[in-house]
Amino acid sequence: EAGVAQSPRYKIIEKRQSVAFWCNPISGHATLYWYQQILGQGPKLLIQFQNNGVVDDSQLPKDRFSAERLKGVDSTLKIQPAKLEDSAVYLCASSLGSPLRTDTQYFGPGTRLTVL
Amino acid sequence: GDSVTQMEGPVTLSEEAFLTINCTYTATGYPSLFWYVQYPGEGLQLLLKATKADDKGSNKGFEATYRKETTSFHLEKGSVQVSDSAVYFCALINTNAGKSTFGDGTTLTVKP
Repeated sequence: EAGVAQSPRYKIIEKRQSVAFWCNPISGHATLYWYQQILGQGPKLLIQFQNNGVVDDSQLPKDRFSAERLKGVDSTLKIQPAKLEDSAVYLCASSLGSPLRTDTQYFGPGTRLTVL
Repeated sequence: GDSVTQMEGPVTLSEEAFLTINCTYTATGYPSLFWYVQYPGEGLQLLLKATKADDKGSNKGFEATYRKETTSFHLEKGSVQVSDSAVYFCALINTNAGKSTFGDGTTLTVKP
């Protein structure tokens, strides 16, 4: 069974530029999560989708971050414009059922973003 | 809001030593509790979980018991190996909202 795929693996941009990350979850997984992991900290949930609907986006900085999950499968996370403090690893995860079921989350390898 | 506090690292042990990594939490309702592990160069993966009070999660020789009275979920292993060297994250899911919260991780290094 293929795992969660993310691309790109690494991205370097200058502040005020825009960037997009892509995630392909495990086939059949209803719930998709985006996390931000700053160096030395644990992952922080940015947004979670169940199928193509947003379940929680309370920690997403909506003035610069956006995410979508069209057709309930792949997802993209965008930052526009980027700030220095956005430098982090962006993790995508997926789980089989509803987040309320506490199913195991499967994580992708992450995208390491450096903002100069 | 919910929070997870882990003991600060790094933790360095000799092979076959006993391991404890402390984890305490604050949450509304009755969260489910998890330990995730990140081996060098790899992604996060679930190590074990417990979904209600007094449950014990176990995997690969690691154990953790959900203690509601002390709001804790400490990770233990009786005899660590070099291959256990990794970063360990304690996490909870608030089952009222389905929202995940992670601790900041504890780096374990096991020396031969």
